[in-house]
Amino acid sequence: EAGVAQSPRYKIIEKRQSVAFWCNPISGHATLYWYQQILGQGPKLLIQFQNNGVVDDSQLPKDRFSAERLKGVDSTLKIQPAKLEDSAVYLCASSFRTNTEAFFGQGTRLTVV
Amino acid sequence: AQSVSQHNHHVILSEAASLELGCNYSYGGTVNLFWYVQYPGQHLQLLLKYFSGDPLVKGIKGFEAEFIKSKFSFNLRKPSVQWSDTAEYFCALGEAAGNKLTFGGGTRVLVKP
Repeated sequence: EAGVAQSPRYKIIEKRQSVAFWCNPISGHATLYWYQQILGQGPKLLIQFQNNGVVDDSQLPKDRFSAERLKGVDSTLKIQPAKLEDSAVYLCASSFRTNTEAFFGQGTRLTVV
Repeated sequence: AQSVSQHNHHVILSEAASLELGCNYSYGGTVNLFWYVQYPGQHLQLLLKYFSGDPLVKGIKGFEAEFIKSKFSFNLRKPSVQWSDTAEYFCALGEAAGNKLTFGGGTRVLVKP
């Protein structure tokens, strides 16, 4: 079975620029997560979708971050404008439903200079 | 709010040594618990999980973990490590009601040949 696909793998941008990340979950998985992993730390949940609805976005910095999953399948995470402290790996994960194992993509490594 | 603590940030072992990684959590409700592993250059993948039942759970590659509810702990063990166990290990807590998945800070394990 195909895994969680993310693109791009790497991105370097200047501060105040915008950037978007794309995620395609495993087919049939209703739950989709976006995590931010700063170097040396564990992944921090930014937003969780159940189909195309938001379940939790309490830790999403909504003044600059946005995410959507319009058709309940793939998802986009956007940062506008980026700050230096946004440098991190952005992980997408999916699960068949809540309370089941989450499968992770390779992540997108963002460097803001 | 729920939280997960991993006490050791770095562990260095020799091959054939035993490994135990500590994980404690804070959450007032029913929990699902996970250990994920990230090998160098690879994505996060599940080692083992606990939802209910026998508190001693066995995972892949000879790993096991014990859920001790009274201690809010879910420690990971392996009796004899190999060089290929060099990786970063993350403990994670899922809320049984919503499966918001919260990660600990991770433990980097280096196994010397």
